[in-house]
Amino acid sequence: GESVGLHLPTLSVQEGDNSIINCAYSNSASDYFIWYKQESGKGPQFIIDIRSNMDKRQGQRVTVLLNKTVKHLSLQIAATQPGDSAVYFCAENMASTGFQKLVFGTGTRLLVSP
Amino acid sequence: DTAVSQTPKYLVTQMGNDKSIKCEQNLGHDTMYWYKQDSKKFLKIMFSYNNKELIINETVPNRFSPKSPDKAHLNLHINSLELGDSAVYFCASSPPGGELFFGEGSRLTVL
Repeated sequence: GESVGLHLPTLSVQEGDNSIINCAYSNSASDYFIWYKQESGKGPQFIIDIRSNMDKRQGQRVTVLLNKTVKHLSLQIAATQPGDSAVYFCAENMASTGFQKLVFGTGTRLLVSP
Repeated sequence: DTAVSQTPKYLVTQMGNDKSIKCEQNLGHDTMYWYKQDSKKFLKIMFSYNNKELIINETVPNRFSPKSPDKAHLNLHINSLELGDSAVYFCASSPPGGELFFGEGSRLTVL
């Protein structure tokens, strides 16, 4: 959907805490989901992905949870570090054809204090 | 080596001008994209090409014309620039069914 409001939602945490960033997606038929991290002045970087036949996937310090019943995706970052400060986007593949159409959520800004 | 590279990184121009942004990927992907990121950080897909063929055109004005001379390149030409075109434009590429790899963005400012 379209972005609303003047400011991104912001999550402020202390270094060492665990962070949870949430995302509501729109299409129950979406089969592929990705979390991206965007640092200031840079392009979005892939963090972790998950397909609709799974409900959890773990990477290094990150875990993605998928709840298809309520169309909800979350990104958990363990032991958050100052270098994790960035804007985080979820994206869903909304293509009805064989080609991908990744649609991004509005983003959440993560601020990590030392 | 840069995987997805865009030029120029910054572009400042007057309303009514025509400008182009170039994109090249060396990842061997068949699919390339253009996204627009507005001042609220919202990322919106504009176009997608697969092996030089247009796949997605998200109701972008006709003033925007993508061109893919080969599957490693996807350029974006914008005619008659308007104030509302000011944004950061990101090029990306992807393998089949996989994640998108983004370039560093091209910040367009229309005065």
